[in-house]
Amino acid sequence: KQEVTQIPAALSVPEGENLVLNCSFTDSAIYNLQWFRQDPGKGLTSLLLIQSSQREQTSGRLNASLDKSSGRSTLYIAASQPGDSATYLCAVRGNYGGSQGNLIFGKGTKLSVKP
Amino acid sequence: DTEVTQTPKHLVMGMTNKKSLKCEQHMGHRAMYWYKQKAKKPPELMFVYSYEKLSINESVPSRFSPECPNSSLLNLHLHALQPEDSALYLCASSHRTGDTEAFFGQGTRLTVV
Repeated sequence: KQEVTQIPAALSVPEGENLVLNCSFTDSAIYNLQWFRQDPGKGLTSLLLIQSSQREQTSGRLNASLDKSSGRSTLYIAASQPGDSATYLCAVRGNYGGSQGNLIFGKGTKLSVKP
Repeated sequence: DTEVTQTPKHLVMGMTNKKSLKCEQHMGHRAMYWYKQKAKKPPELMFVYSYEKLSINESVPSRFSPECPNSSLLNLHLHALQPEDSALYLCASSHRTGDTEAFFGQGTRLTVV
């Protein structure tokens, strides 16, 4: 059974700092990995999608990497801003079994960027 | 347009009420999903529709009844809910189940009293 773990559970940094969020998964048989942002009480906003054949994706100040063989992904945020404060969720889509294609989520990293 | 629209945004219902949650997308996606999210927990999959057919029911109690009347709409009918069913209900869609990007709505905050 696929399990997704995110470390750290919470992170507080001063504005302007570069930071890395970590995600690990136990089963490398995945279609893709997706990073989301969730503001309190709101829905999920898709940040980056990395297909299993890709190594990284970039969008603005965000860069996500994927090492499928080791079951790891990182989300790098450059020059953090207070507006980046949110919970960041990592999710993988498995490519086999009864739940094929469904997103399995980690518990998230709650990020706080202090002005 | 990458928007998934959910209505209502907030819903308070009694344990004997019947209500429905609605979800709509116009991206031509043929896979639609319902997730339940409790406070400080990740979303948990409830149902998956693929080409308007229910393909996955993650052992959800029958007091939750999904419906997909067409390729753009997804409903979740609620009846005789319990207070522990209070949560954020999220709808998502993707081109198909599998290797495509998922887009989520803003959710319906449900409170059962």
